[in-house]
Amino acid sequence: DAGVIQSPRHEVTEMGQEVTLRCKPISGHNSLFWYRQTMMRGLELLIYFNNNVPIDDSGMPEDRFSAKMPNASFSTLKIQPSEPRDSAVYFCASSPTTSGANVLTFGAGSRLTVL
Amino acid sequence: AQKVTQAQTEISVVEKEDVTLDCVYETRDTTYYLFWYKQPPSGELVFLIRRNSFDEQNEISGRYSWNFQKSTSSFNFTITASQVVDSAVYFCALSAANTGNQFYFGTGTSLTVIP
Repeated sequence: DAGVIQSPRHEVTEMGQEVTLRCKPISGHNSLFWYRQTMMRGLELLIYFNNNVPIDDSGMPEDRFSAKMPNASFSTLKIQPSEPRDSAVYFCASSPTTSGANVLTFGAGSRLTVL
Repeated sequence: AQKVTQAQTEISVVEKEDVTLDCVYETRDTTYYLFWYKQPPSGELVFLIRRNSFDEQNEISGRYSWNFQKSTSSFNFTITASQVVDSAVYFCALSAANTGNQFYFGTGTSLTVIP
């Protein structure tokens, strides 16, 4: 299994530009999570999906952030317009179900720098 | 409310020393799961271990061992005979059965092993 695949690995953009981060979960995993990691706030859960349906988006910082999961093998996290404070590493993770017992498998992360 | 506290922000040890990383958790749930993840300098988050609240047996895996004590709400991680490759940030996490698959991560402990 190739694991959770994220792209791009690195993104540098200018303030005001649209940013799209992509994630392919492990095949057969029904739950997908987006996390953001910063030095100040650590690992924050932004949103998670179960069977392609958003379950909890209370962690999404503001309306500039949106996430979609059009099918079981693909999800996007979009920031529009981007701001310097959005600079962070964004992780996607997947797990077999929403059971609390499940292990989250993380992707390698997408490092975003907004100038 | 669920909470994970890793009071040690940074630890430095000399190679071959033993080191213990502390993790204290808070939850009102009777069924919950505890995890440790490793984040090496390359950035990915790697799963190390999962423990459920009904199993207080300590676990050993090679140079790694984990001590789960419900009486003190702690799930500590010990590395024996540390090696330079153990240098990483280590995260403790909690998920509870009745909160879906929401992981509550600690702020992490940065371990540096000096050769």
